[in-house]
Amino acid sequence: DADVTQTPRNRITKTGKRIMLECSQTKGHDRMYWYRQDPGLGLRLIYYSFDVKDINKGEISDGYSVSRQAQAKFSLSLESAIPNQTALYFCATSGPRRGLKNEQFFGPGTRLTVL
Amino acid sequence: DAKTTQPTSMDCAEGRAANLPCNHSTISGNEYVYWYRQIHSQGPQYIIHGLKNNETNEMASLIITEDRKSSTLILPHATLRDTAVYYCIAPRMGSQGNLIFGKGTKLSVKP
Repeated sequence: DADVTQTPRNRITKTGKRIMLECSQTKGHDRMYWYRQDPGLGLRLIYYSFDVKDINKGEISDGYSVSRQAQAKFSLSLESAIPNQTALYFCATSGPRRGLKNEQFFGPGTRLTVL
Repeated sequence: DAKTTQPTSMDCAEGRAANLPCNHSTISGNEYVYWYRQIHSQGPQYIIHGLKNNETNEMASLIITEDRKSSTLILPHATLRDTAVYYCIAPRMGSQGNLIFGKGTKLSVKP
């Protein structure tokens, strides 16, 4: 079984709709992240959470919100989807930092299309 | 993160060593260098990281210059499955694990 799972894997929606992307992990990690990737570009950080009570904005948080329901679950919401939010979305996790290691484990991604 | 510069693309023959360079001239003394790769549209995969010394694991080797201004990721015997985009990242101290992915190097391994 995959350590980091994302649902749905693909989603097509219309402008103005509310969308939730879900991420679950079985690695027992405290830290979870949401990234988006646009074609031909690298990943950009949307939100990150270091524990259930800690939520932080990333580079491009406008238009998004998150919820950390439990240590293992981190959801990303688009309250009112717009076409320029069409992208590939990745969830990632990492464990407590030992030394300065930043090894993140990524899910398979969710391809979101907003019409 | 320290700014990193990588070539846009590289080719490598199957079975040969792939050497992927990265410049990080603004890196601070205690900032690590990380390498990830992304195969097609899959989630990125951690490969290796290092600070000052050269590092090796089951996937690759990382050679860091003595002045730490550049590094090279080496895949000793590239296979077709190593075709991917390779990202060199130098997280800033205190960035708390937030990685900034640039455009990376598209490595194409050819038969």
